[in-house]
Amino acid sequence: EVHLLESGGDLVQPGGSLRLTCAVSGFTFSSYAMSWVRQAPGKGLEWVSGITMSGGSAYYADSVKGRFTISRDNSKDTLYLQMNGLRAEDTAIYYCAKDQFSGWYGNFDYWGQGTLVSVSS
Amino acid sequence: DIQMTQSPSSLSASVGDRVTITCRASQSLSSYLNWYQQRPGKAPKLLIYSASSLQSGVPSRFIGSESGTDFTLTISSLQPEDFATYYCQQSRSIPWTFGQGTKVDI
Repeated sequence: EVHLLESGGDLVQPGGSLRLTCAVSGFTFSSYAMSWVRQAPGKGLEWVSGITMSGGSAYYADSVKGRFTISRDNSKDTLYLQMNGLRAEDTAIYYCAKDQFSGWYGNFDYWGQGTLVSVSS
Repeated sequence: DIQMTQSPSSLSASVGDRVTITCRASQSLSSYLNWYQQRPGKAPKLLIYSASSLQSGVPSRFIGSESGTDFTLTISSLQPEDFATYYCQQSRSIPWTFGQGTKVDI
């Protein structure tokens, strides 16, 4: 059974940093692209960042480009999101999501339960 | 960026009703359109991918269709567990973008 488990969310001051982790099981992690998607309180879904199977290419939403870095460790079946220069508008639940097919498709068939990031002084 | 405009933003319906949600893309998606369901406090769930393909395990009352840059999610007979928020999402080009959501309630 496929499982994705995010951790690392916390309350942080503006300008601070956090690293989110998504530990996965139940599928061959190295065969699938992965993404982070966030949802501000009471708002809709926003794709934040994605990374290819090998980790060789990473993509970002303009809203986080230059501040966030996505990475993966295929030997540990783990996805990361390093978040620097955090702003109040980054407050959200952050979900990791698995691509449906091996390759680069952008359809997300499995999601974690989410981890809450709150940015406030 | 591709803009996704979803309508309506909310609707009220009853069990057994036929419900239709529409999503319009700002440019051609070549069928790279997905639909998700999100229940309160839960992660999104993939219902439909590639505009009209039913995800494994999803009931057949969920139907996706497309006409040009307009996409439709139809729930043929609304069930109690279908009261949720629905999102469209394009996977044609980066950045992947979502519609603003349609909340379906009683």
